Amino acid sequence: EIVMTQSPATLSVSPGERATLSCRASQSVSNNLAWYQQKPGQAPRLLIYGASTRATGIPAWFSGSGSGTEFTLTISSLQSEDFAVYYCQQYSIWPLTFGPGTKVDIK
Amino acid sequence: EVQLVQSGAEVKKPGESLKISCEGSGYSFTNYWIAWVRQMPGKGLEWMGIIYPGDSHTKYGPSFQGQVTISADKSVSTAYLQWSSLKPSDTAIYYCGRRYSYYDSSGTQRWTAFDVWGQGTMVTVSS
Repeated sequence: EIVMTQSPATLSVSPGERATLSCRASQSVSNNLAWYQQKPGQAPRLLIYGASTRATGIPAWFSGSGSGTEFTLTISSLQSEDFAVYYCQQYSIWPLTFGPGTKVDIK
Repeated sequence: EVQLVQSGAEVKKPGESLKISCEGSGYSFTNYWIAWVRQMPGKGLEWMGIIYPGDSHTKYGPSFQGQVTISADKSVSTAYLQWSSLKPSDTAIYYCGRRYSYYDSSGTQRWTAFDVWGQGTMVTVSS
């Protein structure tokens, strides 16, 4: 099973600032990596797939990069609605696995 | 509009059985994998398993193999997650999600992440 790790566990950021979230896979997943956003009481929302392709309707201030085992989600200028928990997921090898999440909260 | 609509919240006692559902609409249900994901109170997302409704091919995560059964009924565009004997540790929100695919420049179908999600079903198991 591929183990996904995320850092930091919590990221405190002021509105308008840049946030950089990291995700690491225990073995290469190529670019088969997705990022999701989850707000309290809501289902996850797909942000990025293929490590860097934004899903439909996702604003351009979200961007993803990386391949192999190291990935990054960047939120270039945090909006109030972006404070949430972010999960990465690999879909390269069964079982598909999620990282433990990074909570982005208001500084 | 593509949607997954899940059945409502359940309160059960330990040892009881349960089957929750996820109905797809607005797309060809048989042609997309549907996954189930668990979220225990205050915790992260755990991938439980997945089914391809077209042929009922199913895969389970190792922690869930033998603990739950995933099935689908094409005639009603619905996927199911069931337990034969619930435990208090099964208390969680359960989400279903549709696996997105696209065709690349060579015409190969590429399966990716989960682009549409149900609203979640809260399952509480308590004596």
